[in-house]
Formats: sequence, C-alpha cells, structure tokens
Amino acid sequence: EAQVTQNPRYLITVTGKKLTVTCSQNMNHEYMSWYRQDPGLGLRQIYYSMNVEVTDKGDVPEGYKVSRKEKRNFPLILESPSPNQTSLYFCASSLGPAIYEQYFGPGTRLTVT
Amino acid sequence: KNQVEQSPQSLIILEGKNCTLQCNYTVSPFSNLRWYKQDTGRGPVSLTIMTFSENTKSNGRYTATLDADTKQSSLHITASQLSDSASYICVVSSSGGSYIPTFGRGTSLIVHP
Repeated sequence: EAQVTQNPRYLITVTGKKLTVTCSQNMNHEYMSWYRQDPGLGLRQIYYSMNVEVTDKGDVPEGYKVSRKEKRNFPLILESPSPNQTSLYFCASSLGPAIYEQYFGPGTRLTVT
Repeated sequence: KNQVEQSPQSLIILEGKNCTLQCNYTVSPFSNLRWYKQDTGRGPVSLTIMTFSENTKSNGRYTATLDADTKQSSLHITASQLSDSASYICVVSSSGGSYIPTFGRGTSLIVHP
C-alpha cells in the first residue's frame, strides 16, 4: 500500500530535550516536505527536499533541522524544543513540487512542556 | 505577500444538500491551486489540482472551479453526506521559483442528518 508513515504519532517532551520525528514514504517520490498545523493558522511549511541531499527552508524553519540521506526518509529534528513548537506535524511526499498530487502522513502531535 | 483567504470559516448543512466553499488568493505568479479534505486529526487528502489553463475539475461529488483572472476558486459539494464533515483547505502554489505553497485556513463543514 502506497503510504507516508510518521513516528511517533504522539510525543510529550520537555524543553531542551532533542527529538527526531521520522518520516518515510514507499512511493519513490523525489519531493518531501514537513508542515506544522496550529489552530487558526492553517498549515505552514517548515522544510522541503527536492531530492537526496537537497533541502531548503520553508516558511517557518527556525528551530528545526532536516536531512535527506535516502530518498524514502526525511526526518525532522528539533535540537532544543521549546513550548512554541507544540503543534501537529505532517510529513508529505510527491513526485515533484508543482502539479503533482501530494500525499500526507497521519501526523505527529507534539507537546513540549 | 502571498495570501489565501477562505470563506465561510464554518458551515453547517443538512445531509443531501449542496454547498459551495470559496477561496480567494493573491499568490503571484500562479502555478496551481489545490483543494484538500482534512478529517479531524488526520492528514489532508487531495481532492483536486488545477493549473492556470483549467477552470473546472471534478472528483466524484466534488467540483472545483478556478477563475485565474479574478483569482478566485470554489469547491462545490453535491448531495452532501455525513462523511463530508471535515475541514476543506485551499492551497495555492507560485511558479516564481519558490516551492513554498500558501495554505488557506480552511472551511469547517459539518453535515447534519
């Protein structure tokens, strides 16, 4: 089954404790991206990747890092999480950034206390 | 600044009725416009994708229209079902070299029996 998976689905952590949210897709997509969704603000792009070893900042990259060492994986790293990073995070993938259909993962709900 | 405005913010209709959701955007230069359906707590699912040259696209009971001159789009839902209860998100992408999409805040639709 074609899908985008994220782990963990739920995470509660404390300020400053490094964490990684994994994202994996099995559709051989070149384009992957991370979004955060906050009430009243809609989805905002954090980082995107056009292909392996090619990443770029989205609208709200501060406080986040990403890497793309393999085509199927695109982890999101929070080196020192803060309470304002409490949010619902989605990973997505597609064949490309333009007119191609984008497939979203199930989401990771992160709470930073 | 690129913006996407959706209206209404929320809508309640009876099962079997039709409804139309609106999306106005200021994204330029325009590349494509997408409509997504997002069930509570889940990732968005693509409904339609339209480029500049397309003014109508259907996906089952969902029909999207695009007027690139007035920078407006609508999503029409025919013969609504309880399962249509969700948030509907309009997303516009630019062709100006940046692959960062601009998301609307969504319209929350509730279908009552």
